[in-house]
Amino acid sequence: QQQVKQSPQSLIVQKGGISIINCAYENTAFDYFPWYQQFPGKGPALLIAIRPDVSEKKEGRFTISFNKSAKQFSLHIMDSQPGDSATYFCAAAQGGSEKLVFGKGTKLTVNP
Amino acid sequence: NAGVMQNPRHLVRRRGQEARLRCSPMKGHSHVYWYRQLPEEGLKFMVYLQKENIIDESGMPKERFSAEFPKEGPSILRIQQVVRGDSAAYFCASSSARADTQYFGPGTRLTVL
Repeated sequence: QQQVKQSPQSLIVQKGGISIINCAYENTAFDYFPWYQQFPGKGPALLIAIRPDVSEKKEGRFTISFNKSAKQFSLHIMDSQPGDSATYFCAAAQGGSEKLVFGKGTKLTVNP
Repeated sequence: NAGVMQNPRHLVRRRGQEARLRCSPMKGHSHVYWYRQLPEEGLKFMVYLQKENIIDESGMPKERFSAEFPKEGPSILRIQQVVRGDSAAYFCASSSARADTQYFGPGTRLTVL
């Protein structure tokens, strides 16, 4: 049973464009939603995270939008750059739980 | 300030051999997590440990897999009698407190021939 569904599987964006990656979850007990960025051959690195008490969180060019009623959250990368080319994973965790449940990932390619 | 360290980075084993993967958490972190990443898949939780204790091993296969985090030294993920299906990237993460931000290591890529 896949608890966090991520789409699209791959995404190609032109430099300067907006990259949008979506995730949907099933477990209404989830209350922590981080996004990780992974470059080839590296471990995932925390990019930005949100809790359900806010609908949006912005850090630089990265924004998480959260829709609790729809059980969806998304990552927006503004002014996408070739250096943003990586695989992005959404994840979710239940309050007080250390067990992160990951989506399958989105491979982002930003063309110069 | 070193991050999470894992070794070896690449490990090749033949079917039936044992694989030992090591993880040294970030300085000051006493919580360790192991995840497995199969090709084209997201990471799957395996086990959560604190020093000398296994807290949650709900993601560990029932047989052949074990983990420990001794009082001194790194955390070890041990896979006995490896099979081809064990080929994957194994990531360790650490945190300073339970349910706090997890910081990942570079992973160990296990290949079973």
